[in-house]
Amino acid sequence: NAGVTQTPKFQVLKTGQSMTLQCAQDMNHEYMSWYRQDPGMGLRLIHYSVGAGITDQGEVPNGYNVSRSTTEDFPLRLLSAAPSQTSVYFCASSWKGTETQYFGPGTRLLVL
Amino acid sequence: AQSVAQPEDQVNVAEGNPLTVKCTYSVSGNPYLFWYVQYPNRGLQFLLKYITGDNLVKGSYGFEAEFNKSQTSFHLKKPSALVSDSALYFCAGTYYGNNRLAFGKGNQVVVIP
Repeated sequence: NAGVTQTPKFQVLKTGQSMTLQCAQDMNHEYMSWYRQDPGMGLRLIHYSVGAGITDQGEVPNGYNVSRSTTEDFPLRLLSAAPSQTSVYFCASSWKGTETQYFGPGTRLLVL
Repeated sequence: AQSVAQPEDQVNVAEGNPLTVKCTYSVSGNPYLFWYVQYPNRGLQFLLKYITGDNLVKGSYGFEAEFNKSQTSFHLKKPSALVSDSALYFCAGTYYGNNRLAFGKGNQVVVIP
């Protein structure tokens, strides 16, 4: 099993550009989530999904969109990138929201 | 609602000495508590969790954590630290029926040879 995979590993964007961060898991997990990690702030939940077709907002959802058309994939879209979105983004999956989450390797995003 | 606090930014410990990383929580209802570790430029790896039962939870790589309901704490411990334990440690918590996991800000552990 590949576990949780994320692409790209690193991306540089200009302010106002859009992009999609990809996340996929092959463990048939129902729950998937996106976090951002910033120095001194830990991980903050952006959006999560409890199954295909069901998504909800986390702690810091503004500026981000998600959709979940399949169990395996949970892409994160930045509609108009801002410097404040410079961060490391992690995708995670688990059987349920209260279960152990398995994390991807992360995407490092720099917005200029 | 839930929140998790890790009061120390960095913990320095000599190799071979006991290691403790502190965590306190504020969770509605019965807490589900986790410890994760992050090595440089890597994703988070699961160490251990408390859901119910024994207050002393044993996890990976010789780590254990003690759940203390009266002090609302869930400190991570290792009897004898290794240089390879140097990493960033995160405490996280939620509660039954809640799909939002709250993370502490993280503790940098430095094990000195």
